[in-house]
Amino acid sequence: AQKVTQAQTEISVVEKEDVTLDCVYETRDTTYYLFWYKQPPSGELVFLIRRNSFDEQNEISGRYSWNFQKSTSSFNFTITASQVVDSAVYFCALISSGSARQLTFGSGTQLTVLP
Amino acid sequence: GAVVSQHPSRVICKSGTSVKIECRSLDFQATTMFWYRQFPKQSLMLMATSNEGSKATYEQGVEKDKFLINHASLTLSTLTVTSAHPEDSSFYICSAPTGLAKNIQYFGAGTRLSVL
Repeated sequence: AQKVTQAQTEISVVEKEDVTLDCVYETRDTTYYLFWYKQPPSGELVFLIRRNSFDEQNEISGRYSWNFQKSTSSFNFTITASQVVDSAVYFCALISSGSARQLTFGSGTQLTVLP
Repeated sequence: GAVVSQHPSRVICKSGTSVKIECRSLDFQATTMFWYRQFPKQSLMLMATSNEGSKATYEQGVEKDKFLINHASLTLSTLTVTSAHPEDSSFYICSAPTGLAKNIQYFGAGTRLSVL
């Protein structure tokens, strides 16, 4: 069985603050992929990043960065200098080699960036 | 980038009617598509896997006769909510893995169904 846990249900920050969204996963497979998706109020899920289990390099894309640590089964997402447009629900998700490409989602973190 | 189109974006219907939702992959072929349901302030719940040329695979607890899935071609899957009732009101969203990077799934914009 596989599981994704996002312990933070809601986070509020003031614009320009940095914020980290936590994600902890469980899987018995050695080959798996981790994802982050953004769901703005419009509802559409926007793909942000994919990371495979063999690549622990951290990644930075503009104001976004991701910290993948297999030792703690975590794949945390940091937004630096947050903006109001970052307000959304963010989902962490997992596909493992035995899951027939089915995504297992975390419960999501509602991020509110206040002006 | 890869795009998945979902229509309609919003449906309001009377109880007892059937509603069809379309999910299209616009610039890639998808032999598999996924249908999710999302209640307010909750995560996405996988309903079924749509397979081109074969029957859909439903998750436990999802009624096959209630939620009919047809994967008519390599770019189109449809979800029909039959004899809809108010408890079927929800946000339905589809996804498709791309051919180039098959473990990246792109999502449609979702359909908000309200059954009166």
